[in-house]
Amino acid sequence: ETGVTQSPTHLIKTRGQQVTLRCSSQSGHNTVSWYQQALGQGPQFIFQYYREEENGRGNFPPRFSGLQFPNYSSELNVNALELDDSALYLCASSQHRGTNEKLFFGSGTQLSVL
Amino acid sequence: RKEVEQDPGPFNVPEGATVAFNCTYSNSASQSFFWYRQDCRKEPKLLMSVYSSGNEDGRFTAQLNRASQYISLLIRDSKLSDSATYLCVVDGGSQGNLIFGKGTKLSVKP
Repeated sequence: ETGVTQSPTHLIKTRGQQVTLRCSSQSGHNTVSWYQQALGQGPQFIFQYYREEENGRGNFPPRFSGLQFPNYSSELNVNALELDDSALYLCASSQHRGTNEKLFFGSGTQLSVL
Repeated sequence: RKEVEQDPGPFNVPEGATVAFNCTYSNSASQSFFWYRQDCRKEPKLLMSVYSSGNEDGRFTAQLNRASQYISLLIRDSKLSDSATYLCVVDGGSQGNLIFGKGTKLSVKP
């Protein structure tokens, strides 16, 4: 158990809808990163939050947005869902924001867009 | 050229075998390198960091060749419990950006 929890575990939405995914980071970790993992692919970096500010962003459109709260928990919001958004969404927390930091992943949210 | 490339496998090996995974990366500015392990339908977990001098953790040995932009993972005396997908991971040079390969699937048979 990593101490990183994500909710919900599974979600089914239809095209055009909006979704919010939640993540509680491990105690003592101030950095949260979000990744999208499509079937048969490796995780792809969406963005990272450090102390409530976006600290880096991957190649995802603006309809992917996020928040980090004072307790370092985080949300990923996706607007105008598309079929290709179907994937496992992984949240990872780390003690610091450097790229040499060990990532502790949650179990993920499996999103299906119909 | 893809940012991080791995042989997707699957590698099907008997228990006790030695198996090697290779990975190449495109960003010569990358500074951090890792191998993660991912079991089916589970989250990735850090197996080991990879250093220029090479490093070993029990049956696992990782090597980095910066000149060739090549990373390897060697597993000796394979166990059934080693069956998983092994992800090669490299930092993308910007804050927070880790780049994962597609993974190499390993299946260890009795």
